[in-house]
Amino acid sequence: GENVEQHPSTLSVQEGDSAVIKCTYSDSASNYFPWYKQELGKRPQLIIDIRSNVGEKKDQRIAVTLNKTAKHFSLHITETQPEDSAVYFCAASGGTYKYIFGTGTRLKVLA
Amino acid sequence: DTGVSQNPRHKITKRGQNVTFRCDPISEHNRLYWYRQTLGQGPEFLTYFQNEAQLEKSRLLSDRFSAERPKGSFSTLEIQRTEQGDSAMYLCASSPGQGEFFFGPGTRLTVL
Repeated sequence: GENVEQHPSTLSVQEGDSAVIKCTYSDSASNYFPWYKQELGKRPQLIIDIRSNVGEKKDQRIAVTLNKTAKHFSLHITETQPEDSAVYFCAASGGTYKYIFGTGTRLKVLA
Repeated sequence: DTGVSQNPRHKITKRGQNVTFRCDPISEHNRLYWYRQTLGQGPEFLTYFQNEAQLEKSRLLSDRFSAERPKGSFSTLEIQRTEQGDSAMYLCASSPGQGEFFFGPGTRLTVL
């Protein structure tokens, strides 16, 4: 069945360093890949997304890359700040419009 | 507030009772989704609707769970004969189609 694997489950970085979170999907029909940030007690919020016709997308300190051949996509956060600390989820969606989420990465940015 | 709304925000119930949650999507969105999230896990797909049609239901969803979207606008999720394992955050989300997907604030269910 459809599956999205996400690694690592926890990630600690020093303030100012970069953070990378990786996801792998199984459904080759997947063509939309959003990333969500969830702070404690709050709803997941969309932070960036990428479609299958694009290999990379950047928005200020956040970038996402997609390798369709390998079926994996990654979130890159540069110049991390304490307010980047949260749980990040990747997701994949395809022809059925169902969104399958990864298990999450808890990012801690150490000041 | 023009975002996705959910009611109630919190629900505490005793095992064996029935509960019903409501979701109001963003008005122009024709797709509506229900997810369940437990602590430390990603949102788990339960079911989704396109307008009033329920297009898919997770195999993980027992027959104690039922969802409706009678007029293609708001949706309800009912859990019958609740069990302690049903305790979770129930998230609703809506989407205009293939694209951005917006979550509601969730309903936190605690089954005692």
